[in-house]
Amino acid sequence: EPEVTQTPSHQVTQMGQEVILRCVPISNHLYFYWYRQILGQKVEFLVSFYNNEISEKSEIFDDQFSVERPDGSNFTLKIRSTKLEDSAMYFCASSRGRGDYGYTFGSGTRLTVV
Amino acid sequence: AQKVTQAQTEISVVEKEDVTLDCVYETRDTTYYLFWYKQPPSGELVFLIRRNSFDEQNEISGRYSWNFQKSTSSFNFTITASQVVDSAVYFCALSEGAQAGTALIFGKGTTLSVSS
Repeated sequence: EPEVTQTPSHQVTQMGQEVILRCVPISNHLYFYWYRQILGQKVEFLVSFYNNEISEKSEIFDDQFSVERPDGSNFTLKIRSTKLEDSAMYFCASSRGRGDYGYTFGSGTRLTVV
Repeated sequence: AQKVTQAQTEISVVEKEDVTLDCVYETRDTTYYLFWYKQPPSGELVFLIRRNSFDEQNEISGRYSWNFQKSTSSFNFTITASQVVDSAVYFCALSEGAQAGTALIFGKGTTLSVSS
């Protein structure tokens, strides 16, 4: 069964550093997403991406964050100047598109900011 | 505004008991989708079911069943004859609108603990 692949599974970074979280969505999916889950809390939407541009973003997704699809397979989330409160599990997801709401989630990247 | 409420924070049952996880949602849209996801201790999000707002048929999949009632804006999830492997956090989620690409709004989750 097709999977969404996320790397790395765990990343530790120092406060103020930039991190890039990587995702390979399912190949025939057209919509890509990032979600965040602070430990013990609910999963929160960050951003959706379609046709090489952001289609929707939440209040959490401020100027510190950016997304990119640098090639035909990868989808990245960049966090500039990380803060302690950015420590969370970050999930990538993808969906096929109209008429199909099967969001497939990756297994997540646990980001720890120290 | 969208909102998903899972009022039960934690539920503990003994194996073979039936358990129902409640989910109440709010939306002004007539077209929306409801989801349940399971998050085991390993942390990944496992898709369980998707239901659109025009399909109120209840669904059964093995030991799992879902009761969708638009009149009460509820989408409850029942596990029959629970097993230890069912121990996880269960999230209900809502997506509004007829187009894909909209955000999933998650509830806070219900932690289910099944003991042997």
